[in-house]
Amino acid sequence: GQSLEQPSEVTAVEGAIVQINCTYQTSGFYGLSWYQQHDGGAPTFLSYNALDGLEETGRFSSFLSRSDSYGYLLLQELQMKDSASYFCAVRTGTASKLTFGTGTRLQVTL
Amino acid sequence: NAGVTQTPKFRVLKTGQSMTLLCAQDMNHEYMYWYRQDPGMGLRLIHYSVGEGTTAKGEVPDGYNVSRLKKQNFLLGLESAAPSQTSVYFCASRTTGSSYNEQFFGPGTRLTVL
Repeated sequence: GQSLEQPSEVTAVEGAIVQINCTYQTSGFYGLSWYQQHDGGAPTFLSYNALDGLEETGRFSSFLSRSDSYGYLLLQELQMKDSASYFCAVRTGTASKLTFGTGTRLQVTL
Repeated sequence: NAGVTQTPKFRVLKTGQSMTLLCAQDMNHEYMYWYRQDPGMGLRLIHYSVGEGTTAKGEVPDGYNVSRLKKQNFLLGLESAAPSQTSVYFCASRTTGSSYNEQFFGPGTRLTVL
């Protein structure tokens, strides 16, 4: 089976940088995705890493180390609207199935 | 484009009742998925489909059935609802190809079983 671990909560100040870590155990690993979900909303896609290294998309970056079964999401120049839950998810199988972690609730404060 | 839509948005059932949740996508995606999300937890895959007329079990399929008679629609059925099925249900879709990694989610259906 698959299992993922990520911190349950993180608090950071507006304008700061925060890193959300994710470790996973899985078979048939294709890649690691990150999704954002605001309270009462649907998950929305942020990034995907299939290979080792850093992917940057605006204020958000995502990193993967396949040998360490580890990845992280880096959020820079935090804004109040970034307050949300962030989920890592491993992609497995030819049907691109996702197994999600339990999520990290990020609270951005003034 | 409406993207992924779900019907209904809210529903309250009594134990033993049945219902069908409808998911529709207008992006011509091959893959569709049904997830449930319980408080403080991530999404868990119930069933999925890789194309019209095909379905497969996910992580938590018991108590649910699905059908994909048309490419754009994916139905989730509860034959005899139980309180343990109280949850938020999300449908998602995705196109094929290794370069496309985003699953597009619908707004969710909030189901309460009394």
